[in-house]
Amino acid sequence: DAKTTQPNSMESNEEEPVHLPCNHSTISGTDYIHWYRQLPSQGPEYVIHGLTSNVNNRMASLAIAEDRKSSTLILHRATLRDAAVYYCILRAALPFYNQGGKLIFGQGTELSVKP
Amino acid sequence: EAQVTQNPRYLITVTGKKLTVTCSQNMNHEYMSWYRQDPGLGLRQIYYSMNVEVTDKGDVPEGYKVSRKEKRNFPLILESPSPNQTSLYFCASSSRDRGYQPQHFGDGTRLSIL
Repeated sequence: DAKTTQPNSMESNEEEPVHLPCNHSTISGTDYIHWYRQLPSQGPEYVIHGLTSNVNNRMASLAIAEDRKSSTLILHRATLRDAAVYYCILRAALPFYNQGGKLIFGQGTELSVKP
Repeated sequence: EAQVTQNPRYLITVTGKKLTVTCSQNMNHEYMSWYRQDPGLGLRQIYYSMNVEVTDKGDVPEGYKVSRKEKRNFPLILESPSPNQTSLYFCASSSRDRGYQPQHFGDGTRLSIL
């Protein structure tokens, strides 16, 4: 499985945008880029995913580099509730029966948000 | 509300006393999975199931058993728990996917084996 690299920690001020980077230089052509986050004392929570084009949803935006070797999760206005560990994960687009559906979690980026 | 429910949320027990952690989902998902989370090691997959009566080992299956008799339930069984199984456990589910369906996680079960 292709590996991702993220900074261990980042800080942000409340109500400011946050850009969380992820490097995945060995990504294959059919890997999807997923982001999950884990708030304190909770299970991981899906945030967003993309393949080639930039994506937006109600939680965040995902900007994918043209060569797909990196991506950035963008929180447009950080709130205190966004303080969490953010994981960037690659998932192969294999038929369901060919994969264990396993998510490979790295160490993630711990985001702290200052009031 | 769509959810994955784990019970118990917390358990302290002793070595060798069999225990079961239940997991139930109400989204009619085919796929279910168990992870454990340990400091410095991240989340690691224990077992997964792609449908009823179909289960397979993940990365760290030793010391665990699972069963999938019904679509909604996927219990994790520790037949003879040991202290190295002290951990935070998460159950997850998703629909059939080709790499893009999100997984839904429970809130976790913290097990302490003394």
